[in-house]
Amino acid sequence: EVQLVQSGAEVKKPGESLNISCRGSGYSFSSYWIGWVRQVPGKGLEWMGIFNPGDSDTRYSPSFQGQVTISADRSVSTAYLQWNSLKASDTAMYYCARTTILRGVVRDFDYWGQGTLVTVSS
Amino acid sequence: DIVMTQSPLSLPVTPGEPASISCRSSQSLLHSDGYNYLHWYLQKPGQSPQLLIYLTSNRASGVPDRFSGSGSGTDFILKISRVEAEDVGLYYCMQTLQTPLTFGGGTKVEIK
Repeated sequence: EVQLVQSGAEVKKPGESLNISCRGSGYSFSSYWIGWVRQVPGKGLEWMGIFNPGDSDTRYSPSFQGQVTISADRSVSTAYLQWNSLKASDTAMYYCARTTILRGVVRDFDYWGQGTLVTVSS
Repeated sequence: DIVMTQSPLSLPVTPGEPASISCRSSQSLLHSDGYNYLHWYLQKPGQSPQLLIYLTSNRASGVPDRFSGSGSGTDFILKISRVEAEDVGLYYCMQTLQTPLTFGGGTKVEIK
């Protein structure tokens, strides 16, 4: 069974750093891309970026380029979303999801993690 | 960026009745491979989004056949043939033809 299990909720102060994780199981982790999606409370879904654990190829949304870093450790089948300096506006639920790229085009996000709630407040 | 526009924003439905949601894109989602890169997701209350329909009209694994998707180019429709109570939640369309990938604003389906 394919599963993406995310790390638990975080409460941070502005300016702090943070790393949240997404562990994949039930499939070949290196064979699929991992995407990250933000959902501000009460709002819609925003695509942040995708990462290929097989070759570390990364595509960022311009809205999030330079604001976060997406990475992965194939040895533990885990993807990461990292902030160096959090802002209050980063308060949101963050989802990881599995996808792939075929013929140069991103496919659907077929499996999703349960979400990690990040709260940034002084 | 490709802008995705969904309508209606809110859809009160009666159980057993049909329902449909529209999604329009600011550019064609038709790729040279013949597929329209438009997908539908349902986010039930308190849950993660789940894939319903991929590539416009293909039901994801385990999705009941009362859900169907259609369309091409810039106009797409998600239909529920007979709404059930478990279908309530937020429905989103998403295009993956070009980065940045973009979602529609969502349609809230609720029971009357």
